[in-house]
Amino acid sequence: DTGVSQDPRHKITKRGQNVTFRCDPISEHNRLYWYRQTLGQGPEFLTYFQNEAQLEKSRLLSDRFSAERPKGSFSTLEIQRTEQGDSAMYLCASSLGQYQETQYFGPGTRLLVL
Amino acid sequence: GENVEQHPSTLSVQEGDSAVIKCTYSDSASNYFPWYKQELGKRPQLIIDIRSNVGEKKDQRIAVTLNKTAKHFSLHITETQPEDSAVYFCAASRVASKLTFGTGTRLQVTL
Repeated sequence: DTGVSQDPRHKITKRGQNVTFRCDPISEHNRLYWYRQTLGQGPEFLTYFQNEAQLEKSRLLSDRFSAERPKGSFSTLEIQRTEQGDSAMYLCASSLGQYQETQYFGPGTRLLVL
Repeated sequence: GENVEQHPSTLSVQEGDSAVIKCTYSDSASNYFPWYKQELGKRPQLIIDIRSNVGEKKDQRIAVTLNKTAKHFSLHITETQPEDSAVYFCAASRVASKLTFGTGTRLQVTL
């Protein structure tokens, strides 16, 4: 499968714990995006990377959230001190590059904070 | 920032009928407008997109129209089939940037 992949697919954690998600974009895709989707809503932008550079972060991304793309390939999204309001589907998407807009989504990581 | 509104929130049509979903956007600099289909528990999948230099685009039973002056765009599905049942999201963005999504339309195609 050469599509966007995400790991884990599901995560249950207790409030206050830290969690980390991984996204592997389509090979040779330079742009990588993170979105969050809650039930009944459209995906909301969190942050995105051009290669290893983080170009934009949403105001939704509090200081408990951090994302990295150290070698310009896979990316990780970490949430520290999780809260119940963090429960959502975390979606990753990738696109080919600066003038190629089409974003392809991964299957998402569903997070449940108890 | 960009704001995208989408209507209706739910839409029920009979098999074979047409379905139309409408979206408006606020940022006049937006120039890329994709539509995604999301089935329950699945990832959003691109079904069609349009760029601001084009007024209409068609792909088999699916078409999208864009009115830049009015800042609205629409998805048209003809000859609907049960497998078209899903949630559809419109989105808008500036070139190769973050997508701002609408709130989604749940389409139900009944036999």
